[in-house]
Amino acid sequence: NAGVTQTPKFQVLKTGQSMTLQCAQDMNHEYMSWYRQDPGMGLRLIHYSVGAGITDQGEVPNGYNVSRSTTEDFPLRLLSAAPSQTSVYFCASSQGAKNIQYFGAGTRLSVL
Amino acid sequence: KNEVEQSPQNLTAQEGEFITINCSYSVGISALHWLQQHPGGGIVSLFMLSSGKKKHGRLIATINIQEKHSSLHITASHPRDSAVYICAVCVANDMRFGAGTRLTVKP
Repeated sequence: NAGVTQTPKFQVLKTGQSMTLQCAQDMNHEYMSWYRQDPGMGLRLIHYSVGAGITDQGEVPNGYNVSRSTTEDFPLRLLSAAPSQTSVYFCASSQGAKNIQYFGAGTRLSVL
Repeated sequence: KNEVEQSPQNLTAQEGEFITINCSYSVGISALHWLQQHPGGGIVSLFMLSSGKKKHGRLIATINIQEKHSSLHITASHPRDSAVYICAVCVANDMRFGAGTRLTVKP
């Protein structure tokens, strides 16, 4: 099993550009989530999904969109990148929010 | 004030020492997680607790729901335990995180 796969690992964007961070899991997990990690602030939840077709906002959802058309995939879209979105992004999956979380390797994003 | 507070922020220990990292939270939770973030950035889940105590190898995690407090203990610490340890609480389907404790174990 690959676990949780995030792509790309690194990305540099210009302000105003759009992009999609991909996240896929092969463990048939219902719960998937996206976090950002900034120095001195710890991890913060952006969006989460409790199953295909169901998404909800976390602590810092502004500037990000998500969709969950399949159990396996949970992409994160930046519609118009801003320098404030420079961060390390992690995707995770689990049977439920209460259960052991499995994290992807992370995506380091810089917005210039 | 953060909903999840960890202490200490930084901790340096000598190999073999017993280590305790604390986590206090101010909200009602359904579960608490301890995570380990390696120097390379990868995050691994160590424990999920809803009550009592769990042990895995040299790691022990406890939680006191009434006092809203959890501790992570490392016995016989080793340089390979050097990492950032993160406490996270589950509030319904939402996750809230502490800022992390950076542990350095010197040989």
